[in-house]
Amino acid sequence: AQSVTQPDIHITVSEGASLELRCNYSYGATPYLFWYVQSPGQGLQLLLKYFSGDTLVQGIKGFEAEFKRSQSSFNLRKPSVHWSDAAEYFCAVGARNAGNMLTFGGGTRLMVKP
Amino acid sequence: EPEVTQTPSHQVTQMGQEVILRCVPISNHLYFYWYRQILGQKVEFLVSFYNNEISEKSEIFDDQFSVERPDGSNFTLKIRSTKLEDSAMYFCASSEALRGDYYGYTFGSGTRLTVV
Repeated sequence: AQSVTQPDIHITVSEGASLELRCNYSYGATPYLFWYVQSPGQGLQLLLKYFSGDTLVQGIKGFEAEFKRSQSSFNLRKPSVHWSDAAEYFCAVGARNAGNMLTFGGGTRLMVKP
Repeated sequence: EPEVTQTPSHQVTQMGQEVILRCVPISNHLYFYWYRQILGQKVEFLVSFYNNEISEKSEIFDDQFSVERPDGSNFTLKIRSTKLEDSAMYFCASSEALRGDYYGYTFGSGTRLTVV
């Protein structure tokens, strides 16, 4: 069964600073990988996803993520954080050829200092 | 952009009562899902539904839960006799692709269920 670990529960960065949120997954083959963002009291908005091909994936709001098979990682990055990026970020993995269930990590809460 | 619509956005119910959470998936989607998120915890899969039957369910989805697609547009989650620990945000999702693929996987904005 697949699993996802987000090692950082909370991260605080200054506005304008770069950001990297870590995600490690466990799955026997190449998974589908997703990053979602959740603002307080809101639903899950898809930032980006990796299915195949180029391992560097561009998403919305200036985010990107890189799939590294050797490290079983799919870290999310943004070169310059804005105050509106403060939210909770979830990494998720989906198995191929085994139904469409997503397995989520525990989330990373991002706080942005002015 | 097509959306998954959930109603109500908030629901408060007394312990032991039945509750029905409603979802309208994206119209051309084939797979439907329910997830839940207990406050402060991770999002957890409950059930997936395809071709008018459950295709997968988690350990959380016990006999107290049921899902139904009563007509061509709605997808519902019923909790028969709510418990305090059922308090959570419930997310509906749908996807357009066949089994094993995730194209168009879209979540609704959730229903916050509070059991008192």
